[in-house]
Amino acid sequence: AQRVTQPEKLLSVFKGAPVELKCNYSYSGSPELFWYVQYSRQRLQLLLRHISRESIKGFTADLNKGETSFHLKKPFAQEEDSAMYYCALYNTDKLIFGTGTRLQVFP
Amino acid sequence: DAGVTQSPTHLIKTRGQQVTLRCSPISGHKSVSWYQQVLGQGPQFIFQYYEKEERGRGNFPDRFSARQFPNYSSELNVNALLLGDSALYLCASSLRGADTQYFGPGTRLTVL
Repeated sequence: AQRVTQPEKLLSVFKGAPVELKCNYSYSGSPELFWYVQYSRQRLQLLLRHISRESIKGFTADLNKGETSFHLKKPFAQEEDSAMYYCALYNTDKLIFGTGTRLQVFP
Repeated sequence: DAGVTQSPTHLIKTRGQQVTLRCSPISGHKSVSWYQQVLGQGPQFIFQYYEKEERGRGNFPDRFSARQFPNYSSELNVNALLLGDSALYLCASSLRGADTQYFGPGTRLTVL
């Protein structure tokens, strides 16, 4: 079955530290993967999509088909990056979300 | 463009009642999807509609139903509410079903 796993519920770092939010997926075929972010009191919004290979707000994510991973990375965390991050896989007609990781960036 | 809009923002119902949630997609988007997000979990897919036809349905009971109107807005109906239906209900729109989905702010449903 298609599934997205985010093993960390909470990730806490200090400002300026590197960040890696983990995402693993199970899917037969070529996956279409996304990272969505939800800032406090805001709606869920797209952060990046793997096929566009863009860097948004300094975040990047590389698809590793061998490890079935799509980890989200940022070299230097900022306080404004504190939010809930969801990894998602698109399958046929729906997004399949992970349970999310809360990122806390301390000053 | 205001983005995807949903109404109402909050709703309180009692067990056994029925509820209707509404969603207006981004202008030009023809596909609407509905998700349920229970506290502490990621959103779970309920329905996808494209050009007024149901294109996908998640693992939800028949108490859940939806429709899409000619102007591409959509309604989600839930009958015979249970306590476990308490959740944030999210609507997302996209140009077509397989495109990037843009989410609304959600409707918070509380069932007492």
